[in-house]
Amino acid sequence: KAGVTQTPRYLIKTRGQQVTLSCSPISGHRSVSWYQQTPGQGLQFLFEYFSETQRNKGNFPGRFSGRQFSNSRSEMNVSTLELGDSALYLCASSLQLAGPYEQYFGPGTRLTVT
Amino acid sequence: GDSVTQMEGPVTLSEEACLTINCTYTATGYPSLFWYVQYPGEGLQLLLKATKADDKGSNKGFEATYRKETTSFHLEKGSVQVSDSAVYFCALSEDTGKLIFGQGTTLQVKP
Repeated sequence: KAGVTQTPRYLIKTRGQQVTLSCSPISGHRSVSWYQQTPGQGLQFLFEYFSETQRNKGNFPGRFSGRQFSNSRSEMNVSTLELGDSALYLCASSLQLAGPYEQYFGPGTRLTVT
Repeated sequence: GDSVTQMEGPVTLSEEACLTINCTYTATGYPSLFWYVQYPGEGLQLLLKATKADDKGSNKGFEATYRKETTSFHLEKGSVQVSDSAVYFCALSEDTGKLIFGQGTTLQVKP
């Protein structure tokens, strides 16, 4: 069974631009969560989608948004990029409808903002 | 709010040494606990989990026991290998799609 895939793997953007990252979950998984990883803040939860609905949201500004499609694929968008948005963005998928959530992570998208 | 605290790294060990990485948590409810491992340039891999008090998760020689009385979930391995060199994250989930992670502990194993 294929794992979680994320595209692109690497991205370089300029301040003020916007970016869209894509995540394809493991087949059959309906929950997709997004995380930001930085050396200073560590791993922080962005949001979770289940059946095309945002079910949980972390403490990030409104510039960070996401969506999920009917095939469970998910995208996250960051508008008006700032230098501090440079990070590894990780997507994770999960099968369970309720706990415990075993989340399986993709390799991440490395975003660099210049 | 909920939080996870891990021992600071880096931890440097010789091959075949014993490993313990301390992890304590604060939670309002009764969370599930996890250890994830991240190898250089990769995403996170689930190493083991425990869902209730006194549960012991184990995988690839690593073990951790859910201790509710001390709110701890320490990771242990009896004999580490060079291939175990990675960053280890302790995490909790209150049975939602939100994982709360510790800051990570870097393990370096020397031959």
